[in-house]
Amino acid sequence: ETGVTQTPRHLVMGMTNKKSLKCEQHLGHNAMYWYKQSAKKPLELMFVYSLEERVENNSVPSRFSPECPNSSHLFLHLHTLQPEDSALYLCASSQGRSMGGRTEAFFGQGTRLTVV
Amino acid sequence: AQKVTQAQTEISVVEKEDVTLDCVYETRDTTYYLFWYKQPPSGELVFLIRRNSFDEQNEISGRYSWNFQKSTSSFNFTITASQVVDSAVYFCALSDSFTGNQFYFGTGTSLTVIP
Repeated sequence: ETGVTQTPRHLVMGMTNKKSLKCEQHLGHNAMYWYKQSAKKPLELMFVYSLEERVENNSVPSRFSPECPNSSHLFLHLHTLQPEDSALYLCASSQGRSMGGRTEAFFGQGTRLTVV
Repeated sequence: AQKVTQAQTEISVVEKEDVTLDCVYETRDTTYYLFWYKQPPSGELVFLIRRNSFDEQNEISGRYSWNFQKSTSSFNFTITASQVVDSAVYFCALSDSFTGNQFYFGTGTSLTVIP
């Protein structure tokens, strides 16, 4: 199994749809992340879940709703999205700072989302 | 505040040329970590290297080398004898105690290696 797995890889949804992105990590990490990568824009951190904290980027609209049921799974629930939400959504995991150090983040292959 | 600057937006080189990707960072912390990632067209960010602030030794891994200089707050990445497969977007990132578990990424440098 790969370290961080995201499903689906591609998603096309209408503005009235509800969908969810799934991320699963098999690395024993305890911190997970959602990033948004739009064309010609920097990587944007959306959410962080870890033992120590849940961080939300205040600029992320409420139509994006994260869920982290355990340290291995992370979801991003989507509803009533806008065309400008079309982007590559990347999930990542790392060993949190509570584990005594700062490791690198490992990324999934991303979900290419298109909102029509 | 934490900040990572990759001033080079796009670089093109001819195969077998050497190329250096620049990264300049800002942090108030004395303990921090720097990273380089490669993002090929497939989309996944691939981890290349981690360097902590107490280790200023330069590192070489095959055709890749990294030059960490605290005096100039830089962590530059050199690819020697570039190959077409090196074509990708490369990101530099920073993590320190102020960022918690977060990583701050630069805007990336798109490298195109022309055969």
